[in-house]
Amino acid sequence: GAGVSQTPSNKVTEKGKYVELRCDPISGHTALYWYRQSLGQGPEFLIYFQGTGAADDSGLPNDRFFAVRPEGSVSTLKIQRTERGDSAVYLCASRTDRNTEAFFGQGTRLTVV
Amino acid sequence: AQSVTQLDSHVSVSEGTPVLLRCNYSSSYSPSLFWYVQHPNKGLQLLLKYTSAATLVKGINGFEAEFKKSETSFHLTKPSAHMSDAAEYFCVVSTMEYGNKLVFGAGTILRVKS
Repeated sequence: GAGVSQTPSNKVTEKGKYVELRCDPISGHTALYWYRQSLGQGPEFLIYFQGTGAADDSGLPNDRFFAVRPEGSVSTLKIQRTERGDSAVYLCASRTDRNTEAFFGQGTRLTVV
Repeated sequence: AQSVTQLDSHVSVSEGTPVLLRCNYSSSYSPSLFWYVQHPNKGLQLLLKYTSAATLVKGINGFEAEFKKSETSFHLTKPSAHMSDAAEYFCVVSTMEYGNKLVFGAGTILRVKS
């Protein structure tokens, strides 16, 4: 594809529900990142994949958050038992290696009511 | 310790005057450095990048940045601000020390007055 695609663009869910956020990276990009951006804040690192494996998941805030990338391309961020504090824009980015720039998707705006 | 420090949370300039957005980083390894811009309700767009080639890097829309290893800085400049430059700017660092993840500064909001 032309760029990083994230779906849905907006998601409203009730407190306690489960949500999945999808990221389609640029074809051939082996590195994939998830970030969370709250209103008025900079992006906060969540997890980084190199290929199929999570190279660094130190940013996941707790065990309600989980992400997968089973075939080394598309990734899904999963949030269980959502809380109002999970409301934010979730950003996905991909790149070829550490010396190249990352390309960001438009983000998924998650609102937990 | 903060890995990436953007020294100003807000910068206000008049249209046509120079822009300076400051960024310092801490790393023992050679970094890759990036500046991204985010317009209101828009995605992150790359302005420019440094990846161990020329220390003075030119980007889009007339922006440039200079990597100064001795000062561990990567300040962003533009000779003449335009109204369309009003946005939030993020300095981003990637090094082996951080496990190759992208570490963001807190951001600088640029306001351009007419």
